[in-house]
Amino acid sequence: GNSVTQMEGPVTLSEEAFLTINCTYTATGYPSLFWYVQYPGEGLQLLLKATKADDKGSNKGFEATYRKETTSFHLEKGSVQVSDSAVYFCALVANNNDMRFGAGTRLTVKP
Amino acid sequence: DAGVTQSPTHLIKTRGQHVTLRCSPISGHKSVSWYQQVLGQGPQFIFQYYEKEERGRGNFPDRFSARQFPNYSSELNVNALLLGDSALYLCASSLGGGPYEQYFGPGTRLTVT
Repeated sequence: GNSVTQMEGPVTLSEEAFLTINCTYTATGYPSLFWYVQYPGEGLQLLLKATKADDKGSNKGFEATYRKETTSFHLEKGSVQVSDSAVYFCALVANNNDMRFGAGTRLTVKP
Repeated sequence: DAGVTQSPTHLIKTRGQHVTLRCSPISGHKSVSWYQQVLGQGPQFIFQYYEKEERGRGNFPDRFSARQFPNYSSELNVNALLLGDSALYLCASSLGGGPYEQYFGPGTRLTVT
């Protein structure tokens, strides 16, 4: 079945460090891929998305590229801020329309 | 525009009881999905409804049921509650029944004692 595997956390970085959170997927067909973020005490928010191979999603300095050859959608940011501290979820939607999430990666950014 | 709203915010129930959770989608969205998020894990898909019809069902027992109303709001019902049903229940809405991005509500925190 369709599934998402995410880099295990927690991840702790200093402010202005480079961030990578790995995400790989297994799916039949051609899924759409998403990154969601959950800030402390809040609900899930869509961070970025990509709907076909080689698409790059970007938002708030975060980027992820849909790599069909490696079935990956790694999240990157060049310079993290304290305000980026949150839990990040990779997700996919395939032909059956139900959204599958990874387990989440908790990021803590220290000043 | 208002986002996805859910009620109640918190709920405490006893084992064996029944619970109803409610969700109102973003205006113009015709699809509602329900997810269960256990602490420390990603959300698990329960149901998707589109135009009042069930479009998808996750791997949950028949104690879980849902429906969508003509105004596209939705209810999730859980019967014969178990301790393991304690979780955050998330509702998400999207424009249609296809692979669209979903917009999540704040969730209902259910505690079963």
